Amino acid sequence: DTTVKQNPRYKLARVGKPVNLICSQTMNHDTMYWYQKKPNQAPKLLLFYYDKILNREADTFEKFQSSRPNNSFCSLYIGSAGLEYSAMYLCASSPRQGSYAEQFFGPGTRLTVL
Amino acid sequence: GDSVTQTEGQVALSEEDFLTIHCNYSASGYPALFWYVQYPGEGPQFLFRASRDKEKGSSRGFEATYDKGTTSFHLRKASVQESDSAVYYCALGDQGGRALIFGTGTTVSVSP
Repeated sequence: DTTVKQNPRYKLARVGKPVNLICSQTMNHDTMYWYQKKPNQAPKLLLFYYDKILNREADTFEKFQSSRPNNSFCSLYIGSAGLEYSAMYLCASSPRQGSYAEQFFGPGTRLTVL
Repeated sequence: GDSVTQTEGQVALSEEDFLTIHCNYSASGYPALFWYVQYPGEGPQFLFRASRDKEKGSSRGFEATYDKGTTSFHLRKASVQESDSAVYYCALGDQGGRALIFGTGTTVSVSP
């Protein structure tokens, strides 16, 4: 099974409220990624886990949190949503770290902040 | 920094037409180059990869050749079908990189 699952598929949030997105995979992949995708823009890496080590991009360091309680699950947490967080959030996993490896993507969670 | 440019934002074709999507990259050394395809309601799926100059990647009738001289990895398919309607992403990964760098995507619409 090469499926990456994401929940929920659609999320409506109010400005200033927290948001928690969930991703799971059963391929025993070491690395899990979160990307943000806005219309007419390229998917943008937010952060990734290699095993239990979290790596966050410098420009999103304070905006997004994440946890990985076990190999299969990874969450993306926004403490206080702003209008600029409205986007598609894509989770991906890979059998190894590094950008040469194939990534397996989930269907995404569409977040709308009002 | 490294970057990927896809010139076509949208492409409209009829079945059996020839498809070309242009992808150019900017990076040092020999990055790996990828094509991903995203069908409606799904996440991007790996199509194929190439990591050496003149290497050809191919899958499902699609192909692209790594060209370091022109820094390109153009996607081609000789005869498209309606089922090829999707968004196609060119992406780059460098050896020391943290994750993929994507282009903005090309939406391909094929009419019967």
